[in-house]
Amino acid sequence: GDSVTQMEGPVTLSEEAFLTINCTYTATGYPSLFWYVQYPGEGLQLLLKATKADDKGSNKGFEATYRKETTSFHLEKGSVQVSDSAVYFCALSDRETGANNLFFGTGTRLTVIP
Amino acid sequence: NAGVTQTPKFQVLKTGQSMTLQCAQDMNHEYMSWYRQDPGMGLRLIHYSVGAGITDQGEVPNGYNVSRSTTEDFPLRLLSAAPSQTSVYFCASSPRAWNSDQPQHFGDGTRLSIL
Repeated sequence: GDSVTQMEGPVTLSEEAFLTINCTYTATGYPSLFWYVQYPGEGLQLLLKATKADDKGSNKGFEATYRKETTSFHLEKGSVQVSDSAVYFCALSDRETGANNLFFGTGTRLTVIP
Repeated sequence: NAGVTQTPKFQVLKTGQSMTLQCAQDMNHEYMSWYRQDPGMGLRLIHYSVGAGITDQGEVPNGYNVSRSTTEDFPLRLLSAAPSQTSVYFCASSPRAWNSDQPQHFGDGTRLSIL
């Protein structure tokens, strides 16, 4: 079945540090991959996505590359800010399993300190 | 732009009570879904709908019912609340049901506690 394995948190970084959150997946078919972000007290928002191998999704300084050979979609940012403090979820949607159902990782809580 | 609206935001129930969590979207989205979020487990799919009149089970459907009588509304019913259903519930939607490239739009969640 489909599943997502995500780096356990929490992660605490100083402002301007480099961020990597690891994500690997297992899928029956050929999935689309997403990173969602959840700020305190809010719902999830799409951060970035990639729909085919070697695609790079990017938004707000965050990047992730769809690596089919390693079944990975690691999230990176070169210089984090306090405002990036949130919970980050890696997710996939597999067109082989039908509809738009999302399979999520467990989430990684990021705290950025000044 | 309302997007996906969930009500209530908070609710406390006693074991055995029933209730309905409301979800409405004003974007004419075909696909709607319910997830529950539990610590250390991410979000898990409860039920989903690919259009009015069509619903199906997700990963954790036991103890929940849904219906989709209109495109806009997708209520989630707890038949007989149990403490294991204490969670944060999210409703989500996307424009087309069979296009996995599309991201989903999430509501702000309903925090439910069962005593």
